[in-house]
Amino acid sequence: DAGVIQSPRHEVTEMGQEVTLRCKPISGHNSLFWYRQTMMRGLELLIYFNNNVPIDDSGMPEDRFSAKMPNASFSTLKIQPSEPRDSAVYFCASSFGGGAFFGQGTRLTVV
Amino acid sequence: QKEVEQDPGPLSVPEGAIVSLNCTYSNSAFQYFMWYRQYSRKGPELLMYTYSSGNKEDGRFTAQVDKSSKYISLFIRDSQPSDSATYLCAMSANYGGSQGNLIFGKGTKLSVKP
Repeated sequence: DAGVIQSPRHEVTEMGQEVTLRCKPISGHNSLFWYRQTMMRGLELLIYFNNNVPIDDSGMPEDRFSAKMPNASFSTLKIQPSEPRDSAVYFCASSFGGGAFFGQGTRLTVV
Repeated sequence: QKEVEQDPGPLSVPEGAIVSLNCTYSNSAFQYFMWYRQYSRKGPELLMYTYSSGNKEDGRFTAQVDKSSKYISLFIRDSQPSDSATYLCAMSANYGGSQGNLIFGKGTKLSVKP
């Protein structure tokens, strides 16, 4: 199994631009998480899907952030418009109980 | 009070030492407890997964959960330089189900010196 696959690995964009992060979870996993990691705040849960349905999006910082999971093998996290304070590493993780498995992350820099 | 508290370190030990990493939490509903290891510029890697109170051993790693004290620990025996990483605890009330929010500590940075 290739594990959780995220793309792109790195993204540099200008303030105000739209950013789309992509995630392919491990086949057979029914839960998918989007996290953001910064030095100051650590790992923060943004949104959590169970069986493709958003369960908890209370961590989404504001309306500029949106996430979708159209099917069991794909999810996106979109930021529109992006701001410099969105610069962080964004992780996707998937699970079928027994612990979540993380992708390698997308390092986002908004200038 | 934050839901999960973890000393950020850094913690520096000599090779071969026993390492003790700890987290405290405030939510008594937490039942599932995990430890992750994260190398620099990598994603967190699941090390240990435990349910409710008790001990679990896997090679050089032992995880302990004391729900009465709301305290969890990870012990690393015979520590190696390759164990140098950030260790994060994580926990959930109903993991894998419809309320399976997974809350992380901020991580403890460990350095094992040869």
